[in-house]
Amino acid sequence: ETGVTQSPTHLIKTRGQQVTLRCSSQSGHNTVSWYQQALGQGPQFIFQYYREEENGRGNFPPRFSGLQFPNYSSELNVNALELDDSALYLCASSLVAGSNTGELFFGEGSRLTVL
Amino acid sequence: ILNVEQSPQSLHVQEGDSTNFTCSFPSSNFYALHWYRWETAKSPEALFVMTLNGDEKKKGRISATLNTKEGYSYLYIKGSQPEDSATYLCAQANTGNQFYFGTGTSLTVIP
Repeated sequence: ETGVTQSPTHLIKTRGQQVTLRCSSQSGHNTVSWYQQALGQGPQFIFQYYREEENGRGNFPPRFSGLQFPNYSSELNVNALELDDSALYLCASSLVAGSNTGELFFGEGSRLTVL
Repeated sequence: ILNVEQSPQSLHVQEGDSTNFTCSFPSSNFYALHWYRWETAKSPEALFVMTLNGDEKKKGRISATLNTKEGYSYLYIKGSQPEDSATYLCAQANTGNQFYFGTGTSLTVIP
């Protein structure tokens, strides 16, 4: 158990709707990263938040946005949902921002289905 | 974008067999290579972080090697057990923000 919790675990939306996914990081971790894992793919980096600021972004459109709160928990928001947004969304917390040797502590993911 | 590839995509082995699989990555601008184990219905858990060419890491029956000059890492499991059944992911980390994951190797150990 990593101590990273995500909610909801599963949800179904329709095209054009908006979704918010939530993540509570492991105690003491001030950095949260979000990854999307589509079927048959490896996890792909969406963005990272450090001390409430975006600290790097992958190749995702602006309709993917995020927030980090003072307690270091985080939200991923996706607007104007498309069918291809159907995926498992993983949140990972880490102890040090910008460290390529620091391990990621993952939650179990939120599985989004867009119909 | 870093292209990280893993092979095989899946494999089935008998309990007690030893096995290994491969992670290939671009050798230029290498920073770190991570291995994760992901059991079904759980979260991915870190196995190893490797940074230096020739690195060898070991955790129980699982070990890994790293060749940064040719851009590959091997993960070995000695005497596979059913509890080793999982997807094994490797990821190359860049300057700090972003991990590039492969698609994983799904291992099934048959009792």
